[in-house]
Amino acid sequence: DTAVSQTPKYLVTQMGNDKSIKCEQNLGHDTMYWYKQDSKKFLKIMFSYNNKELIINETVPNRFSPKSPDKAHLNLHINSLELGDSAVYFCASSPDRGRWTGELFFGEGSRLTVL
Amino acid sequence: QQPVQSPQAVILREGEDAVINCSSSKALYSVHWYRQKHGEAPVFLMILLKGGEQKGHEKISASFNEKKQQSSLYLTASQLSYSGTYFCGTEKDAGNNRKLIWGLGTSLAVNP
Repeated sequence: DTAVSQTPKYLVTQMGNDKSIKCEQNLGHDTMYWYKQDSKKFLKIMFSYNNKELIINETVPNRFSPKSPDKAHLNLHINSLELGDSAVYFCASSPDRGRWTGELFFGEGSRLTVL
Repeated sequence: QQPVQSPQAVILREGEDAVINCSSSKALYSVHWYRQKHGEAPVFLMILLKGGEQKGHEKISASFNEKKQQSSLYLTASQLSYSGTYFCGTEKDAGNNRKLIWGLGTSLAVNP
């Protein structure tokens, strides 16, 4: 069983469209994250949820909206896609600070290409 | 503030050693090291929390200097499987949000 799974793995779409990426973790972790990795491989945190509560919200355009229906799921919806949104989006999870060994568990990534 | 990694890229022959540095202008709470192979997700190597701490994982080890402003990753007798991009992620405090700020990565290629 995959610990952190993302769907879809690949997304190719036109500018202006709306798209969603879904993430699920079966590790029983309390915290989930969305990271963006651009073409230069720069990893940047976008959002983090702890038990469905938003705890990190970096300077991200309003077109990006995360949703956490429960602590095992974190979805990312992107409106009005732009060329600059092309990147690999990684979902990750971790347990609470008290149980954290320092490891973030990453999904396989979702490669978004905006044409 | 983003940590600075050096060098940006390293090319080794199998069996050679390498050192990758991660520096901050301010004291850090922790440094995390990850390796990412092409087309894959980053994979955790180790975390360093205490000034002066050293850790090892097979032939890969790391240190965190006393002032907690620099960490170095040591790759000894490199293997082909060590190829990839190495990232350090840093935390400035022990807050509950576990927000890591990442360096730009060091690309390591190990050739036969």
